[in-house]
Amino acid sequence: GDSVTQMEGPVTLSEEAFLTINCTYTATGYPSLFWYVQYPGEGLQLLLKATKADDKGSNKGFEATYRKETTSFHLEKGSVQVSDSAVYFCARMDTGRRALTFGSGTRLQVQP
Amino acid sequence: DAEITQSPRHKITETGRQVTLACHQTWNHNNMFWYRQDLGHGLRLIHYSYGVQDTNKGEVSDGYSVSRSNTEDLPLTLESAASSQTSVYFCASSDSGNYGYTFGSGTRLTVV
Repeated sequence: GDSVTQMEGPVTLSEEAFLTINCTYTATGYPSLFWYVQYPGEGLQLLLKATKADDKGSNKGFEATYRKETTSFHLEKGSVQVSDSAVYFCARMDTGRRALTFGSGTRLQVQP
Repeated sequence: DAEITQSPRHKITETGRQVTLACHQTWNHNNMFWYRQDLGHGLRLIHYSYGVQDTNKGEVSDGYSVSRSNTEDLPLTLESAASSQTSVYFCASSDSGNYGYTFGSGTRLTVV
């Protein structure tokens, strides 16, 4: 079935370091792709999205580009802050089903 | 302001008991979803609904049921709670477009 694969964490970085969290998806159909963030004790919040190939989603300094040729949607940020410490989930949505399929999540820890 | 609320936030129950988790949204969204979150598995879809009187099974629906009698509510019932159902449960809703979900804050359920 359709799936999303994320790099395992935790990812530990120093403040102001460059962040990449890898995400790949199965290539069936033309899904929309999302990144969600979960802060401790909270529900998930939409971070960014892209609905077609070559689209770039961006928000709060985070970016991800929908790469159909590599079936990837990697999350990047140029300079992380301690406040970015959270769990990040990559997800796909298939139009017909309208339900999200999530990756297993990647925990990011940013140290001062 | 519109919101999505889950109750209770925490619950401890005994094996074999019937448990119902509440989800209420005031976004007037047609689509509602239940997920469970477990370490190493990310979020897995339990049940979902596209509108009143509509319900569908997700990947991990065994032992769970839902009903949709109005737009605002999608209660999740565990017919006979098992220890394997100890988890954090998230409810989410979305409109008919491709804009991702709005999540509740979650219910932590412990089955002893």
